[in-house]
Amino acid sequence: AQKVTQAQTEISVVEKEDVTLDCVYETRDTTYYLFWYKQPPSGELVFLIRRNSFDEQNEISGRYSWNFQKSTSSFNFTITASQVVDSAVYFCALSVPGGSQGNLIFGKGTKLSVKP
Amino acid sequence: DVKVTQSSRYLVKRTGEKVFLECVQDMDHENMFWYRQDPGLGLRLIYFSYDVKMKEKGDIPEGYSVSREKKERFSLILESASTNQTSMYLCASRGDRVPGNTIYFGEGSWLTVV
Repeated sequence: AQKVTQAQTEISVVEKEDVTLDCVYETRDTTYYLFWYKQPPSGELVFLIRRNSFDEQNEISGRYSWNFQKSTSSFNFTITASQVVDSAVYFCALSVPGGSQGNLIFGKGTKLSVKP
Repeated sequence: DVKVTQSSRYLVKRTGEKVFLECVQDMDHENMFWYRQDPGLGLRLIYFSYDVKMKEKGDIPEGYSVSREKKERFSLILESASTNQTSMYLCASRGDRVPGNTIYFGEGSWLTVV
């Protein structure tokens, strides 16, 4: 069975601090896809990144970076120099071929609060 | 850009009412989804549709039904609303059934059943 665990329920930081959101996944499939979504207070889930299981390269996009490590089944997300606008709930998700309806299995989310 | 539009952002309905939540996507996506989001429980899949008139139950289909008469529109129906269906409902779409394709979400509908 597939599972995504985001152990941090809530994190609070002060602006300009770096923060890492953890994501640990479980699957027996060798081909799978990992995603991060951001959900600001407005409610819409915004797609941030997709990574397939064959691509372990880390990704950097501005202040955001992602560290994918198959050895530890982790796909962690780091925000550098956090800003108040980064305050949101962040979801990590897993998708596998042949999985139930091909949908995403979501973690329960990490609520990030960035204080000025 | 993909646009997924949910017709109602905030609704208040009475117990026993029939409730329709509408969702439209503008990218000719085959797959559409309805999720429910509750504090501490994350997102749970209610129903999935992979084509017009085709649907599959998700993890929590009880008390819900869906309709997909046109490719761009996917409706969630609460036949007889109950207070335990008070929640945030999210619609989503995806280009095809490839699990690596990105799922795009609407802004959500906050439903309160009183």
